[in-house]
Amino acid sequence: AQKVTQAQTEISVVEKEDVTLDCVYETRDTTYYLFWYKQPPSGELVFLIRRNSFDEQNEISGRYSWNFQKSTSSFNFTITASQVVDSAVYVCALSVYNNNDMRFGAGTRLTVKP
Amino acid sequence: DAGITQSPRHKVTETGTPVTLRCHQTENHRYMYWYRQDPGHGLRLIHYSYGVKDTDKGEVSDGYSVSRSKTEDFLLTLESATSSQTSVYFCAISRTRELYEQYFGPGTRLTVT
Repeated sequence: AQKVTQAQTEISVVEKEDVTLDCVYETRDTTYYLFWYKQPPSGELVFLIRRNSFDEQNEISGRYSWNFQKSTSSFNFTITASQVVDSAVYVCALSVYNNNDMRFGAGTRLTVKP
Repeated sequence: DAGITQSPRHKVTETGTPVTLRCHQTENHRYMYWYRQDPGHGLRLIHYSYGVKDTDKGEVSDGYSVSRSKTEDFLLTLESATSSQTSVYFCAISRTRELYEQYFGPGTRLTVT
């Protein structure tokens, strides 16, 4: 069975600080996909990134970066120079190949204070 | 943005009453999903559909039924709402089974009193 753990329930930082959100996953499948979603106060889920299990290259998109490490079953998300608009719940998720079952972490609530 | 709408967006109902939530998509995607989101649990799959009239159960299907008579609409019904079904419900769509690209609706906040 698949499982996603986001151990950090809430994080609070001051604007311009860097912050890393942790995601640890469990699966026995060799082909799988990892996702990060942003859930702002309005409630919708906004897709941020998808990685497949065969691509361990780190990804950078502006102030956002992702570190995928199969050796530790982790897919961590770093926001550099955080801004107040980054305040949201961030959700990590896992799906496996040829399976409709996507598993979600409980989310990490990030608060960025001015 | 993917064309997914949910109705109603908010609903308050009493225990024991039937409730139907609607998900409507304009993307012509084959797969549709209903999730619930509760504090501390993350999103959990209730039911999903892999085509018109083709549905299957998810992780937390007890107390829920679904129907899909058209590609664009996926209905979630609580036959007799209970307080434990107070939650935020999200619909999602996917073009393929592999879920490597899934898009979510805006959510419906349901309160059962």
